[in-house]
Amino acid sequence: GDSVTQMEGPVTLSEEAFLTINCTYTATGYPSLFWYVQYPGEGLQLLLKATKADDKGSNKGFEATYRKETTSFHLEKGSVQVSDSAVYFCALSSYSSASKIIFGSGTRLSIRP
Amino acid sequence: DVKVTQSSRYLVKRTGEKVFLECVQDMDHENMFWYRQDPGLGLRLIYFSYDVKMKEKGDIPEGYSVSREKKERFSLILESASTNQTSMYLCASSSPTGRIYEQYFGPGTRLTVT
Repeated sequence: GDSVTQMEGPVTLSEEAFLTINCTYTATGYPSLFWYVQYPGEGLQLLLKATKADDKGSNKGFEATYRKETTSFHLEKGSVQVSDSAVYFCALSSYSSASKIIFGSGTRLSIRP
Repeated sequence: DVKVTQSSRYLVKRTGEKVFLECVQDMDHENMFWYRQDPGLGLRLIYFSYDVKMKEKGDIPEGYSVSREKKERFSLILESASTNQTSMYLCASSSPTGRIYEQYFGPGTRLTVT
């Protein structure tokens, strides 16, 4: 079945550091890929998405590129801020999963001032 | 903007009580979902619904039931709460845009069963 694997946390970085959170997936066909973010005490909100190979999703300085050849969708940001501290979830939606979204286990990110 | 609201942010119940968690969305979405979130386990799907009066079991339906009498409202019911149901409960809704099923989440209900 469809699945998402993302790097385990927690990840701790200093402010202005470069961020990469790895995400790989297994799915039939051509899934849509998402990154969701959960700030402390809140629900999940969509950060970015990509729907086909080589698409780049971007938002708030974060980027991720849909790589079909490596089945990956890694999240990157060039210079993180304290306000980026949150839990990040990689996720996919595919034809076989219908309207359901398959989530990774989440990666907790903490940014030191 | 899509808004998904949940009836309570925090709830404390006793073992054996019947618990209702309510979720309302205002964007006429067909699909609604209930998840629970636990440390180290990520999000796990409890139940979902494609339409009014329709429901499907997710990955962990045991100990839960749901009700969807109106399109905008999806209720999660714990028939007899137990301590292992202490968790964060998240509701979501979605409707396809093309073939993309982006989900919109509520703020969550943190339930403690004592």
